[in-house]
Amino acid sequence: NAGVTQTPKFRILKIGQSMTLQCTQDMNHNYMYWYRQDPGMGLKLIYYSVGAGITDKGEVPNGYNVSRSTTEDFPLRLELAAPSQTSVYFCASKTPQETQYFGPGTRLLVL
Amino acid sequence: KNEVEQSPQNLTAQEGEFITINCSYSVGISALHWLQQHPGGGIVSLFMLSSGKKKHGRLIATINIQEKHSSLHITASHPRDSAVYICAAEPSRNTDKLIFGTGTRLQVFP
Repeated sequence: NAGVTQTPKFRILKIGQSMTLQCTQDMNHNYMYWYRQDPGMGLKLIYYSVGAGITDKGEVPNGYNVSRSTTEDFPLRLELAAPSQTSVYFCASKTPQETQYFGPGTRLLVL
Repeated sequence: KNEVEQSPQNLTAQEGEFITINCSYSVGISALHWLQQHPGGGIVSLFMLSSGKKKHGRLIATINIQEKHSSLHITASHPRDSAVYICAAEPSRNTDKLIFGTGTRLQVFP
């Protein structure tokens, strides 16, 4: 199993551009999560999903959108990039009552 | 006040030392997680525990539910243990999500 994979690894965006961060897991996990981690700060939950077709907001959803059309994929969309969205983004997945498995992260710089 | 607090924020140690990282939480939990993040690297889960103690190699995690406190111990520390250690509470009111501490940055010098 590849586990949780994320693409791209690194991206530079200009203010106002949009992009999609991809996340895929091959463990048949129902639960999937998107976090952001700012330098020196803890993980903040952006959006999460408890199954295909179901998504819910986390602590910091503004400026982001998600969809969950399949069990495997949970893409995160940034519509109008802002410098405040410069961060490292982690995707994670799990089954109920188990620990979360994290992807390697996507480093995003908005200039 | 954060619902999950870790101490210390930063920790330096000499190789071989016994290390303790503390985590206090203020919510009712169904489980407590310890995670490790190496510099520039991804995040891996070390422990998930709801009572007592768990051990994996040189790492030991304990939890006291009554005192709402957990500790992560590293015996015979090694430079490769240098990382950020993150405590996260799985609240019993919503087990779908975790509440994260801000992490403890550990540096072990040879």
